Amino acid sequence: QQQVKQSPQSLIVQKGGIPIINCAYENTAFDYFPWYQQFPGKGPALLIAIRPDVSEKKEGRFTISFNKSAKQFSLHIMDSQPGDSATYFCAAFNNAGNMLTFGGGTRLMVKP
Amino acid sequence: DTGVSQDPRHKITKRGQNVTFRCDPISEHNRLYWYRQTLGQGPEFLTYFQNEAQLEKSRLLSDRFSAERPKGSFSTLEIQRTEQGDSAMYLCASSPGTHSYNEQFFGPGTRLTVL
Repeated sequence: QQQVKQSPQSLIVQKGGIPIINCAYENTAFDYFPWYQQFPGKGPALLIAIRPDVSEKKEGRFTISFNKSAKQFSLHIMDSQPGDSATYFCAAFNNAGNMLTFGGGTRLMVKP
Repeated sequence: DTGVSQDPRHKITKRGQNVTFRCDPISEHNRLYWYRQTLGQGPEFLTYFQNEAQLEKSRLLSDRFSAERPKGSFSTLEIQRTEQGDSAMYLCASSPGTHSYNEQFFGPGTRLTVL
């Protein structure tokens, strides 16, 4: 059962564009929402994370927007670069279970 | 390089054989996690350890899967009687364990192919 739904599955933008990746969850016990970036042949690496008591968090060119009532959150990448081309995963952490539940991933390509 | 290492990086085996993967976490990290990632999907949690104690194993995919962390340092994941459906990337992650929200640092994974 996929508890975190992620869209789109793939995304192509031009350099400088602002790709937006969306995620939705059902389980209200989730209380921490990280985003991971994965390059081919590598493990996922943490990009940015948010807790549901804030609506937005920004770190460098990456911004998370969080809508607790809608149980949705999204990642925005400002001024995207070809080096941002990777697969991005949203995730949700259930403190009671001590495990991360990942979305299905979004393969991003940033064209020069 | 996150400091989490996994060995081997690739494993090809025939159906029915047993395989064992090793994970060496960041040395001061108390928590160690195993995930499985199939092609085009996000990682799927399998099990985790707090030091040598396996605190969650209900998500292991079947009784053919088992994991150990005997001295609270490295861990092994064993799959017995492999099936073609076991073909996937097996990821290990570690975290300090001082707080539930500690970042999990992932290793590069072991890619398993079952023929």
